[in-house]
Amino acid sequence: QKEVEQNSGPLSVPEGAIASLNCTYSDRGSQSFFWYRQYSGKSPELIMFIYSNGDKEDGRFTAQLNKASQYVSLLIRDSQPSDSATYLCAVRRYNFNKFYFGSGTKLNVKP
Amino acid sequence: DGGITQSPKYLFRKEGQNVTLSCEQNLNHDAMYWYRQDPGQGLRLIYYSQIVNDFQKGDIAEGYSVSREKKESFPLTVTSAQKNPTAFYLCASSIGGPREETQYFGPGTRLLVL
Repeated sequence: QKEVEQNSGPLSVPEGAIASLNCTYSDRGSQSFFWYRQYSGKSPELIMFIYSNGDKEDGRFTAQLNKASQYVSLLIRDSQPSDSATYLCAVRRYNFNKFYFGSGTKLNVKP
Repeated sequence: DGGITQSPKYLFRKEGQNVTLSCEQNLNHDAMYWYRQDPGQGLRLIYYSQIVNDFQKGDIAEGYSVSREKKESFPLTVTSAQKNPTAFYLCASSIGGPREETQYFGPGTRLLVL
């Protein structure tokens, strides 16, 4: 079983819609959760992180964490064509300097 | 400007040749990492270092070697034992610590085999 699983997509949404990206993880000891955006041919850039159950909002982005279900999601409101990229989910265990990445979900936002 | 630099941007390797990828950071981060990314795939950890003069193997260390003689630098050598080295190599760093830290990436080096 993979440490972190994501649907590879592509996920296609129209401009202005809400995009919902999902991620599940296998280790209940995971404590920190991260979302990265990666444009084609570029390195990942951090969008946001979340540590506690519930929602965390940053501009158009909302991360949601449910530790009981071992589930993390990223919502992108008012999606723009510039949001078209691959979104990587990463998790880190407590007091352990290793990050585990999912294979990413490709998002296409159509004008 | 604080950040992580990787060089070169593109690197070509001949059969049987060892090549070294450079990674430098001026963020004063303790931890540094090397990942490999194949097309359409996620990131796989090659090596990581939590402190100077110490490093640990990741999930795919075979055919690679590293050193950590300075806090700022974490070079990766792709040896001739790595039979399929063509990939996008990413270096990252983080503050290091029990919980509240994030990982930041350099721009990457694309390695191609001639």
